[in-house]
Amino acid sequence: AQTVTQSQPEMSVQEAETVTLSCTYDTSESDYYLFWYKQPPSRQMILVIRQEAYKQQNATENRFSVNFQKAAKSFSLKISDSQLGDAAMYFCAYGTGTASKLTFGTGTRLQVTL
Amino acid sequence: GAGVSQSPSNKVTEKGKDVELRCDPISGHTALYWYRQSLGQGLEFLIYFQGNSAPDKSGLPSDRFSAERTGGSVSTLTIQRTQQEDSAVYLCASSPRRGRTTDTQYFGPGTRLTVL
Repeated sequence: AQTVTQSQPEMSVQEAETVTLSCTYDTSESDYYLFWYKQPPSRQMILVIRQEAYKQQNATENRFSVNFQKAAKSFSLKISDSQLGDAAMYFCAYGTGTASKLTFGTGTRLQVTL
Repeated sequence: GAGVSQSPSNKVTEKGKDVELRCDPISGHTALYWYRQSLGQGLEFLIYFQGNSAPDKSGLPSDRFSAERTGGSVSTLTIQRTQQEDSAVYLCASSPRRGRTTDTQYFGPGTRLTVL
């Protein structure tokens, strides 16, 4: 069974600094997708970034980028120039084209301080 | 355009009562998912609907849980004889589900269920 592990329950970063959130996963599939979702206090899950496993190039969305290490089954999220609005729970998730569901990690709570 | 909507936003019920949670997916999205998020936990898959295909019910925790999707659009998650361990946020998501690609899922704001 696929599993997703986020080993950092909480992280803190100062405004304008950079922070990296860790995620590892376990799978026997070769074709899959990885996601980072943000959940602010409003509860609405918002897609931050997605990565297709067949792509070697790391995905980037503005201040958000990933470090995808397929052999190590690692998928970390880097947030540059952190802003107060980045404070939220961040969930790493895994999905495949053959499976309907996403498997989520337990989340990392990110605090942004002045 | 409108996103995924869910109602009610919050629901408080007594143990043993039945509850119905509603989800309106994004118009045109053929796939609909229900997840459960217990306090301090990640999201747990419950059920998945895709077009007219039989739903994937593999995540439903017990036979007290059921869901239906009428007309390929609105979905209702029903929990019968609620228990305190059913207290959680129930999230609905939809996606275009084009082909076999894992599409991005778009989530609603969830329903927070509290069973007293």
